[in-house]
This record gives sequence, C-alpha cells and structure tokens, in this order.
Amino acid sequence: DSGVTQTPKHLITATGQRVTLRCSPRSGDLSVYWYQQSLDQGLQFLIQYYNGEERAKGNILERFSAQQFPDLHSELNLSSLELGDSALYFCASRAIENYGYTFGSGTRLTVV
Amino acid sequence: DQQVKQNSPSLSVQEGRISILNCDYTNSMFDYFLWYKKYPAEGPTFLISISSIKDKNEDGRFTVFLNKSAKHLSLHIVPSQPGDSAVYFCAASSSNFGNEKLTFGTGTRLTIIP
Repeated sequence: DSGVTQTPKHLITATGQRVTLRCSPRSGDLSVYWYQQSLDQGLQFLIQYYNGEERAKGNILERFSAQQFPDLHSELNLSSLELGDSALYFCASRAIENYGYTFGSGTRLTVV
Repeated sequence: DQQVKQNSPSLSVQEGRISILNCDYTNSMFDYFLWYKKYPAEGPTFLISISSIKDKNEDGRFTVFLNKSAKHLSLHIVPSQPGDSAVYFCAASSSNFGNEKLTFGTGTRLTIIP
C-alpha cells in the first residue's frame, strides 16, 4: 500500500457520460498530480493541485476538470466521454521536500 | 513534443546478466531525473534518482548514469532477477520552472528470462 488511495479501481461507462475519479493523497502530502496513461503511451500529465489550489496544467481536455478539497483529497471529473478517453488514470502525491511522487494504483476507465 | 524519450519499447535479458535501460531528453532545463518501475495493475513506484550535479548514483543493484552533454541517462541493473520484469519509466523535472511536474517517457518493458 503506497498510501495514495484511488477509487474506483475499474469503471466502465458509455460514451457521452460523466464520471468522477477520486484520490486521497498520502497523509501530510499537500500536492496532488493527475496523470493519464493510454495504451502503449507514457504517463501524460493532466493537472496538479497544491493545498487546494491549481498549480500547473498539462494536456488536460476542456471536458476534464479537477479540484482538491480542504481535506486534500482530489477528484478528477471527466465529461462527455469518448472512446479515446479509455485509459488508466493515476493520481500521485508528493511531500514538499522530495522530488519523487508516490502513485496510487490507478483507475482503469473503459468507455464503450 | 516528447521531451523525454525511451526509444526501446522492450528489452529481454537473461537472469544474472546486466540490464541497461536508456533514456534521452531534449529540454536542457531538466535538472533532476528519476526512474520508476511499474508492475501490471499497480501504480509506478520510485526506484532511483539523480541530480544534474552528479553523473552517477548507485543503490544496491541499481545504478543510474547521467551524461548531461549528450542529454542521456541510463539505468543499469546488475545482476538482473526475475522480479525485475516490469515496465520502467524515465522521468525528468526542472526546478527552474517553479513547479514539480514530472515529465515521463513512454516506458521500456523489461523481461528477465530465467
């Protein structure tokens, strides 16, 4: 157990639908990062939050949004889902003094 | 624009021999580099890192080498063990950008043959 919790582990939904992925960072970590891994692709950075505020944005589609709550958990909202959104979505958290992330085990999203 | 590249999608190595995984980067602002290991159905786990002020960092069977002039780093695993079979991601970060975003390569699948 890495200490970063992601739910659900698997999600199957239809095109056009909306889903919410949830992430609880390691205790004490203020930064949360969301990454997408599509088939045979590397980890693509989506967005970073630090202590409730958006810190950096990557290749995140306008149909996607995220937020970090006062208790530091984060949610990634994916709407108007398309087949191409099928991927593994990873959340990671980071302690301020480290460069390395701790990743959760991911949510596998399948859009049918 | 792929700023971190792992040009070998897969690599097979005999158990006990050395595994060498390579990574190239294009952004000269990167000053910290990491390797992550990923098993199926799990998130990536941190393996080893190196700062740009060093050219080598060693941790047990794992050694990372950094060649700044060539913008190249490599991960050496010796001796290779069956449990090393996984996907390895190279990642880079820059303190100059004011954020801690890691940029990942596409990964190399390492298979250790018993």
